[in-house]
Amino acid sequence: KAGVTQTPRYLIKTRGQQVTLSCSPISGHRSVSWYQQTPGQGLQFLFEYFSETQRNKGNFPGRFSGRQFSNSRSEMNVSTLELGDSALYLCASSLNRWGPSGANVLTFGAGSRLTVL
Amino acid sequence: GQNIDQPTEMTATEGAIVQINCTYQTSGFNGLFWYQQHAGEAPTFLSYNVLDGLEEKGRFSSFLSRSKGYSYLLLKELQMKDSASYLCAEVGRGSTLGRLYFGRGTQLTVWP
Repeated sequence: KAGVTQTPRYLIKTRGQQVTLSCSPISGHRSVSWYQQTPGQGLQFLFEYFSETQRNKGNFPGRFSGRQFSNSRSEMNVSTLELGDSALYLCASSLNRWGPSGANVLTFGAGSRLTVL
Repeated sequence: GQNIDQPTEMTATEGAIVQINCTYQTSGFNGLFWYQQHAGEAPTFLSYNVLDGLEEKGRFSSFLSRSKGYSYLLLKELQMKDSASYLCAEVGRGSTLGRLYFGRGTQLTVWP
């Protein structure tokens, strides 16, 4: 069974540009969450989508946005890039229900590493 | 559920046992995860605790004390491949299932 696929894996942008990152969840997973990972802050929650609706949003500025399509694939967009947006952006999918282990396990993709110059 | 605290770095030798501690705010607690992340790779699920006590899975075990807001991950018979970052993450009460509150991770280095 294919895992969570994120594209692109690496990208370099300059300040002021915008970027779109893509995430294909595990087949059957309808919930997709996005996280930003930096050495200083660790993993920080950006947003969560389920059935094409944003269900939760973290404490990030409005320059960060996302959407989910009917096939559960998701994209996130960052506009007017700043140097501080350099990070690893991780997508995670889940079944959105408590599983046999008692947990709703998030399965992460390998991430998109964004460098802003 | 925030303020997850775990050590930044730990080192150990092959074959040894290491315990990685994690503390969290007890209010709003609804479960605690441990993930492993090798450099340049995706975090992978290790364990989940919601009730007090020890959960054992092969060489890895995870413990939870809800009253103390404390968890640990125990790694036995360490191998070189266990060198990775270990992430503690809390599920907040009332939060959606896709939102976890992560600690900054503990970088474990295993020496031969």
